[in-house]
Amino acid sequence: GDSVTQMEGPVTLSEEAFLTINCTYTATGYPSLFWYVQYPGEGLQLLLKATKADDKGSNKGFEATYRKETTSFHLEKGSVQVSDSAVYFCALRVGGTSYGKLTFGQGTILTVHP
Amino acid sequence: GAGVSQSPSNKVTEKGKDVELRCDPISGHTALYWYRQSLGQGLEFLIYFQGNSAPDKSGLPSDRFSAERTGGSVSTLTIQRTQQEDSAVYLCASSLADYNEQFFGPGTRLTVL
Repeated sequence: GDSVTQMEGPVTLSEEAFLTINCTYTATGYPSLFWYVQYPGEGLQLLLKATKADDKGSNKGFEATYRKETTSFHLEKGSVQVSDSAVYFCALRVGGTSYGKLTFGQGTILTVHP
Repeated sequence: GAGVSQSPSNKVTEKGKDVELRCDPISGHTALYWYRQSLGQGLEFLIYFQGNSAPDKSGLPSDRFSAERTGGSVSTLTIQRTQQEDSAVYLCASSLADYNEQFFGPGTRLTVL
């Protein structure tokens, strides 16, 4: 079945450090890929997405590129801030009988210290 | 504008009791999803409603779980004879239609004692 594997956390960084959170997937067909973020005390929010191979999603300084050859969608940010502290989820969506259903990774807790 | 709302925000119940969790989607959104977030299983899909079509119940973990969506709007997730392993945060999301961005509610934290 479809699945997402993401880097286990927690990840702890100092402000302005470079961030990478790895995400790989297994899916039938051609999935769309997403990163969601859950800030403390808030609901899940879409951070960025990519719908086909070689697409790059970007938002708030975060980027991820859809790599079909390595079945990966790694999240990167060049300089993290304390306000980026949150839980990050990689997810995929495949068409079929359940067009909207998302399959999530386990989540990665990111803590950024000043 | 108003986002997805869920009630209650927290629910503590005793093993064996039934519980109902409510979701109010964003007005006009035809697609509605329930997910469960638990320590052991991560974030997993439970059920999906789209318009008047039959729901996709493929993610429901047992026949103790059921959900309905009345009038294409409000949805209720019911768990009968709750067990301790049902303890989790239950998330609801809605989207304008298939393949559109899903907007998530704040969740209901269920604790089964």
